[in-house]
Amino acid sequence: DGGITQSPKYLFRKEGQNVTLSCEQNLNHDAMYWYRQDPGQGLRLIYYSQIVNDFQKGDIAEGYSVSREKKESFPLTVTSAQKNPTAFYLCASRQGLAGGINEQFFGPGTRLTVL
Amino acid sequence: AQSVTQLGSHVSVSEGALVLLRCNYSSSVPPYLFWYVQYPNQGLQLLLKYTSAATLVKGINGFEAEFKKSETSFHLTKPSAHMSDAAEYFCAVSESGGSNYKLTFGKGTLLTVNP
Repeated sequence: DGGITQSPKYLFRKEGQNVTLSCEQNLNHDAMYWYRQDPGQGLRLIYYSQIVNDFQKGDIAEGYSVSREKKESFPLTVTSAQKNPTAFYLCASRQGLAGGINEQFFGPGTRLTVL
Repeated sequence: AQSVTQLGSHVSVSEGALVLLRCNYSSSVPPYLFWYVQYPNQGLQLLLKYTSAATLVKGINGFEAEFKKSETSFHLTKPSAHMSDAAEYFCAVSESGGSNYKLTFGKGTLLTVNP
């Protein structure tokens, strides 16, 4: 089945440690996105990538980093510079380089808790 | 800049009653509009989307939404609520044109269905 996988589903880390969240898609989509979700805040865009080896900052990129070495993979690293990393992280992908008509497909999410 | 306002962070209805979830948008160009649903600890699933083909859009699970340009609204309705409709619902806007690769989300409305 085609879709987006995120791993792990739950992740616990100590304060000050970097952590990498995995996102893989087999939909052959061009664009990929990372969002952060906090209760009552909706979804906020962290980073997005429209093609391999290129990505852009979203609205809340500080303290995060990404890479896009392969079309199907878009890992997110939460660094120690992120002041409040505990949140639910969602990865999404979309067909096409342009055209807002195409919806984004979402993965199941990773819940990160920093102790 | 585009924005989305969802009136009511929490809506409670009885099983069998009408569901009405409100969404107003702001966009400098004709928008594309989306409604997503999220069940607890899961990713988002597309309910329906408006792409200018028809102002009344039918989606999955019996939901529909009507685009009203004069009111800048895209409210979500379902004639008869079912217990399985209990979830959080997000309205999102994407601009047609140069910036159409990004979605801007509302803060969400949590729907509770009472037996």
